[in-house]
Amino acid sequence: DTGVSQDPRHKITKRGQNVTFRCDPISEHNRLYWYRQTLGQGPEFLTYFQNEAQLEKSRLLSDRFSAERPKGSFSTLEIQRTEQGDSAMYLCASSWGLAGADTQYFGPGTRLTVL
Amino acid sequence: AQKVTQAQTEISVVEKEDVTLDCVYETRDTTYYLFWYKQPPSGELVFLIRRNSFDEQNEISGRYSWNFQKSTSSFNFTITASQVVDSAVYFCALSEVGNFNKFYFGSGTKLNVKP
Repeated sequence: DTGVSQDPRHKITKRGQNVTFRCDPISEHNRLYWYRQTLGQGPEFLTYFQNEAQLEKSRLLSDRFSAERPKGSFSTLEIQRTEQGDSAMYLCASSWGLAGADTQYFGPGTRLTVL
Repeated sequence: AQKVTQAQTEISVVEKEDVTLDCVYETRDTTYYLFWYKQPPSGELVFLIRRNSFDEQNEISGRYSWNFQKSTSSFNFTITASQVVDSAVYFCALSEVGNFNKFYFGSGTKLNVKP
């Protein structure tokens, strides 16, 4: 039984560089979420996919951020022209549901440090 | 406005003491779900419990128990006979049905259990 996996686990980059993170959800989960967590805070919602469709994006997701979920399987989150304020833990979660709230299962996260 | 408030930033107890973590939420929806997650030092959020707004029965699972009171918009979590392994950050989260199931997390309570 495999849970949600994320790659890489840690990323250090210089300001202005582009970074891409990958999330592999629990197989057959149709819903996928990205959250961002800064030190001492709870995770904050970034975006949500149902299958391959991106159904909601937070206003936190500036135009430098883009997320995809081709074929409704894995997802990628790209940050272009990184800024120091982007330093955070990026969490991916998946769930299975058709209606109503379902339990989200989280991956280990990707910790981004922008120098 | 903060939808989920965890007023206790950090709590320290000695092993075998009971401890209650408070969670107060705010929503106008009549159908919603509440969750508790544990985040150990490794960083991965671990699901503990899910409760829907129509089920106010208290729940007990081993040393863990949850008290849901709609009248006070609270969903408190009690650990009985705490153990060192309970040391972690605990998050309460709210999900509103029809709001894309995204979670609103509190800022977390860090629990330190000392031997």
